[in-house]
Amino acid sequence: SQQGEEDPQALSIQEGENATMNCSYKTSINNLQWYRQNSGRGLVHLILIRSNEREKHSGRLRVTLDTSKKSSSLLITASRAADTASYFCAPHGSSNTGKLIFGQGTTLQVKP
Amino acid sequence: GAGVSQSPRYKVAKRGQDVALRCDPISGHVSLFWYQQALGQGPEFLTYFQNEAQLDKSGLPSDRFFAERPEGSVSTLKIQRTQQEDSAVYLCASSYHRDRTYEQYFGPGTRLTVT
Repeated sequence: SQQGEEDPQALSIQEGENATMNCSYKTSINNLQWYRQNSGRGLVHLILIRSNEREKHSGRLRVTLDTSKKSSSLLITASRAADTASYFCAPHGSSNTGKLIFGQGTTLQVKP
Repeated sequence: GAGVSQSPRYKVAKRGQDVALRCDPISGHVSLFWYQQALGQGPEFLTYFQNEAQLDKSGLPSDRFFAERPEGSVSTLKIQRTQQEDSAVYLCASSYHRDRTYEQYFGPGTRLTVT
């Protein structure tokens, strides 16, 4: 299965702190995607990292990928209350038709 | 530009009723996906279309679920004889399918409550 498993399940931090969440998966991938879901904006694509990339940045987001360990991490720097949401990783392999297989996600709460 | 839209946003159905959920993908997106999300869980894949062809329906939970995309644009997910376990948010997503990136754009979802 290409399902990613996020860790921790829940994370609570103060505004301004950094938040790190991890994703592990079991089979080889072409890319791994991170999505965010909150009540206001629904499920939104954040960043995609390809299997031949080790690190990628987008604004305050930094994603790393270690294919030897079959793991990825998402770092949010200088967190804001608006970052409060659930975060999902979706590893994607060549055998997929394009469908994404989500885990239960990490619920992040950023306290103002 | 316009994103993925879904209607209705909320639907209450009595057990045994049929429901139809609509998805309008982003114009020009050839791939369309349906997902089901139960409370507190991540979205679960239901079915996938490339243009009008339904290429993967492995996630449909039973033969009461049926999806179509007859002209390769708007899609409808139909649930017949609804059961309480069908209560969930149904998400539609579309993708341009360029460079096999599979980045997907999601709609706001339809929250279905079966009473």
